[in-house]
Amino acid sequence: GQQLNQSPQSMFIQEGEDVSMNCTSSSIFNTWLWYKQDPGEGPVLLIALYKAGELTSNGRLTAQFGITRKDSFLNISASIPSDVGIYFCAGLNNAGNMLTFGGGTRLMVKP
Amino acid sequence: DVKVTQSSRYLVKRTGEKVFLECVQDMDHENMFWYRQDPGLGLRLIYFSYDVKMKEKGDIPEGYSVSREKKERFSLILESASTNQTSMYLCASIKTRVYQETQYFGPGTRLLVL
Repeated sequence: GQQLNQSPQSMFIQEGEDVSMNCTSSSIFNTWLWYKQDPGEGPVLLIALYKAGELTSNGRLTAQFGITRKDSFLNISASIPSDVGIYFCAGLNNAGNMLTFGGGTRLMVKP
Repeated sequence: DVKVTQSSRYLVKRTGEKVFLECVQDMDHENMFWYRQDPGLGLRLIYFSYDVKMKEKGDIPEGYSVSREKKERFSLILESASTNQTSMYLCASIKTRVYQETQYFGPGTRLLVL
């Protein structure tokens, strides 16, 4: 199946720093989703993007749906220790019935 | 709140054993999914089901089978467990087939095959 390229694979940052991660694909998606997975838990949806060019915020999180519909990025501003976890991007196919996930970005925040 | 539960958080099995992973959702969702999660590979779809007694293969179905006898329950079966099936298994569900919402995930089952 198709894969999403998510980078970076991991980040170790200082509390208060801003974070940026992105996903790229060779295929077009109609919807991009960003999830966070806390240790020992299943992923939880953070942000959903439905239109090319869309920029959406959720508190300190901001995500954008790329104009080409083949990429998306997630920014976290002023990171805090509870931001620690694995962040996944996911693209929804044209039929609207299947998600493809990126490899994940493991975020570590040093207090 | 939607709740997706998985029967075990941790399992240890031996090579060749038959393994059942159970998933139950309480929100009357039609669609259910089984993923496995491995470091650096993200979530890969094993099987999914759009309705009772219906199943479709995902990206990596080999070595697995599924059962959907009731709408709320979707079972993943490893007929003869192998060490390369050691992984985290995540179940998910969603209401409609064509959707622009989110999948709701269970907490995961971490399986170790010795």
